[in-house]
Amino acid sequence: IAGITQAPTSQILAAGRRMTLRCTQDMRHNAMYWYRQDLGLGLRLIHYSNTAGTTGKGEVPDGYSVSRANTDDFPLTLASAVPSQTSVYFCASSAEAGGNNEQFFGPGTRLTVL
Amino acid sequence: GQNIDQPTEMTATEGAIVQINCTYQTSGFNGLFWYQQHAGEAPTFLSYNVLDGLEEKGRFSSFLSRSKGYSYLLLKELQMKDSASYLCAVRDSNYQLIWGAGTKLIIKP
Repeated sequence: IAGITQAPTSQILAAGRRMTLRCTQDMRHNAMYWYRQDLGLGLRLIHYSNTAGTTGKGEVPDGYSVSRANTDDFPLTLASAVPSQTSVYFCASSAEAGGNNEQFFGPGTRLTVL
Repeated sequence: GQNIDQPTEMTATEGAIVQINCTYQTSGFNGLFWYQQHAGEAPTFLSYNVLDGLEEKGRFSSFLSRSKGYSYLLLKELQMKDSASYLCAVRDSNYQLIWGAGTKLIIKP
């Protein structure tokens, strides 16, 4: 693995189903983030984790949950998907949460909820 | 509320110079980032400003005025591969990034 990976690349999901989007980084970054990107809107933060074992809510957390059991992995779960969760989901990481630490992005997961 | 404003779309000619503006109103300020995003791809980091002034990095420069809540990204010697969206983001008092909707830059030959 080089950098940050996400799986699946894309998914079509029936409303009401449970879905976990996977994110793994091999850069030993402390901070990780989940964003959604919708046409005409900026990236919106769903959840974040400043270090393994801790998580926090972003701007649009409802309907989503995360866990951070170790440094490398930061899965995002949709407990019961709804059509408004149709979006492109990006996972990102940075060495630390503050300072001039840039965020590195995974390739994204395109999710369609029908 | 928090707000980042950028033009939706701009057009420029190959070889020319273009300036993309960003104005912001956020709860606190802990730095401003510019990212490039090609269609269907992930954003990639371009520049970071935390103090007033100009940061130059090759063909790209970024300027910040904290008192005016204003930044711009300057792209020189435009190439066709510079056709992309350019995203402005401000790190707020909670150290989270607040993102603009992005400026789609179209380069014409």
